[in-house]
Amino acid sequence: NAGVTQTPKFRVLKTGQSMTLLCAQDMNHEYMYWYRQDPGMGLRLIHYSVGEGTTAKGEVPDGYNVSRLKKQNFLLGLESAAPSQTSVYFCASSPRGAGVNNEQFFGPGTRLTVL
Amino acid sequence: GDSVTQMEGPVTLSEEACLTINCTYTATGYPSLFWYVQYPGEGLQLLLKATKADDKGSNKGFEATYRKETTSFHLEKGSVQVSDSAVYFCALTGNFGNEKLTFGTGTRLTIIP
Repeated sequence: NAGVTQTPKFRVLKTGQSMTLLCAQDMNHEYMYWYRQDPGMGLRLIHYSVGEGTTAKGEVPDGYNVSRLKKQNFLLGLESAAPSQTSVYFCASSPRGAGVNNEQFFGPGTRLTVL
Repeated sequence: GDSVTQMEGPVTLSEEACLTINCTYTATGYPSLFWYVQYPGEGLQLLLKATKADDKGSNKGFEATYRKETTSFHLEKGSVQVSDSAVYFCALTGNFGNEKLTFGTGTRLTIIP
């Protein structure tokens, strides 16, 4: 049981390049989330999904797209990377929404630098 | 909207000192409250939680009590260890079908031997 895994762990991009971050979970969770972590700002929700084939915008969705074609995978895409997207990205999953008794399980993070 | 305010860090303490990290919140309804911990190089892990007023969450020697009258959820530990060095995040989720966690900015804790 690997929990939540993220690929890649590190990436350096040039402005304007595109990339996809992959998140996978083997806990059969319905909900999945993408956050970014920036110094002094805590974690901010980018997009989330409440089930296979669904996606929804979070607090800071601009410049990102997501897809949830399979229940266990949640992809985060940057179509044209900008230096403002330099951050650490965390994926999380939970069996249901972040309500009572629904713990979110986090991956180890992806450190992205955009030059 | 919902928000969480944590005490500014970083916090540096000697081993066996007492720890308090303050957390206050603003939310509608009756939120659930959480403390998450992030050890160096890792993702976040749930440390403890409380789901209604006056509940006390506890784990690994840490405690926090849900105080609705002061809208607070302060994290405490009586005797910290070097292994407690990490970043601590206070978070909440509202009720009424809210799927999202709202995090505070995090407090970096360093324990020196």
